[in-house]
Amino acid sequence: DGGITQSPKYLFRKEGQNVTLSCEQNLNHDAMYWYRQDPGQGLRLIYYSQIVNDFQKGDIAEGYSVSREKKESFPLTVTSAQKNPTAFYLCASSISPPTGELFFGEGSRLTVL
Amino acid sequence: GENVEQHPSTLSVQEGDSAVIKCTYSDSASNYFPWYKQELGKRPQLIIDIRSNVGEKKDQRIAVTLNKTAKHFSLHITETQPEDSAVYFCAASRGYQKVTFGIGTKLQVIP
Repeated sequence: DGGITQSPKYLFRKEGQNVTLSCEQNLNHDAMYWYRQDPGQGLRLIYYSQIVNDFQKGDIAEGYSVSREKKESFPLTVTSAQKNPTAFYLCASSISPPTGELFFGEGSRLTVL
Repeated sequence: GENVEQHPSTLSVQEGDSAVIKCTYSDSASNYFPWYKQELGKRPQLIIDIRSNVGEKKDQRIAVTLNKTAKHFSLHITETQPEDSAVYFCAASRGYQKVTFGIGTKLQVIP
């Protein structure tokens, strides 16, 4: 069954701790993305990667880091430098052009205590 | 960079009525305009999309229109049903470039 798997679904962390969110896809997609979803603010792009070993900052990259060592995996680390990390995080992937459709994971909800 | 504005932020309609959600974009080079539906507690899913070489596209009860000159695009849902209740996001992108989303419209269909 192909798709995108995010884990964990819920995560709690204390202030000052780094946390890594996992995103794995078996769709053989080249591009992968991380979005942050906050009420009333839509989906904002954190980082994206179009190919293995390459990634670019999105609109709100400060306080986040990523890696793309494998085509299937694009983990996101929320560092202690992120001022307001409590949010819902969505990972997505897409094939090369021309389709452009994003396939989303089920999301990870991070709460900082 | 691209900026996508979406309105209204909330929309309530009676079952059977039509719903229209409007978006504008800033980058005249954008050429792909998808719409995503996110039901409560679920992931966003593509419901319809349009490319810049097309002015209108329909799929059963939903349609999207694009005005490149004005940089406007809209989602039209006819004969709304309770299961249409969700948050709808418009988006814009240039081919393989990053996708920029609007803030979302929460649609409530009242039975």
